[in-house]
Amino acid sequence: DVKVTQSSRYLVKRTGEKVFLECVQDMDHENMFWYRQDPGLGLRLIYFSYDVKMKEKGDIPEGYSVSREKKERFSLILESASTNQTSMYLCASSLTPGLAFSYNEQFFGPGTRLTVL
Amino acid sequence: SQQGEEDPQALSIQEGENATMNCSYKTSINNLQWYRQNSGRGLVHLILIRSNEREKHSGRLRVTLDTSKKSSSLLITASRAADTASYFCATASNRDDKIIFGKGTRLHILP
Repeated sequence: DVKVTQSSRYLVKRTGEKVFLECVQDMDHENMFWYRQDPGLGLRLIYFSYDVKMKEKGDIPEGYSVSREKKERFSLILESASTNQTSMYLCASSLTPGLAFSYNEQFFGPGTRLTVL
Repeated sequence: SQQGEEDPQALSIQEGENATMNCSYKTSINNLQWYRQNSGRGLVHLILIRSNEREKHSGRLRVTLDTSKKSSSLLITASRAADTASYFCATASNRDDKIIFGKGTRLHILP
């Protein structure tokens, strides 16, 4: 089974702090994604990466950056945390469509609930 | 960029009854996927239906896809308490590896 792990389940930070959220997958997936989930807004894509050192902006990249130095690890960085970044953060990974049996279904980590005070 | 819209937003049914959730989308798709999310957890992939398929089954799940109406439905038969969760549809285009999620249907199974 694919396993996607996230470094923390719960995190509390103060306004202005630099925050790192780590995500690791163990199935050699090319694609990795960061979403945030807020009540009434569903899942919104922040950034995604389709290869090492590659990144693409999603729908709401402002206030975030990402890093993918190794294939299995995708980090989300909040350069200066603000209260409106309080949210549930979900990481996911997928194979590239067309390879083997993949149709780009995504595998999710358990989520990190971040509170910024 | 919202693509899928689930209907209803919330649904409560008695255990043992069938639950039906619908998803509508706007643009052409490569496939449509359904996911489940238990409270406070990550999403779990349930089933994928390709654009050239009309119906698919997996255990107690039945998914239909009508590309002419740009809609899909998820049927859960003989519901159980453990089916209480939020259910999301997600659409995949031919253009890239992203999928776009709807806002979900909250399903509550009453004992």
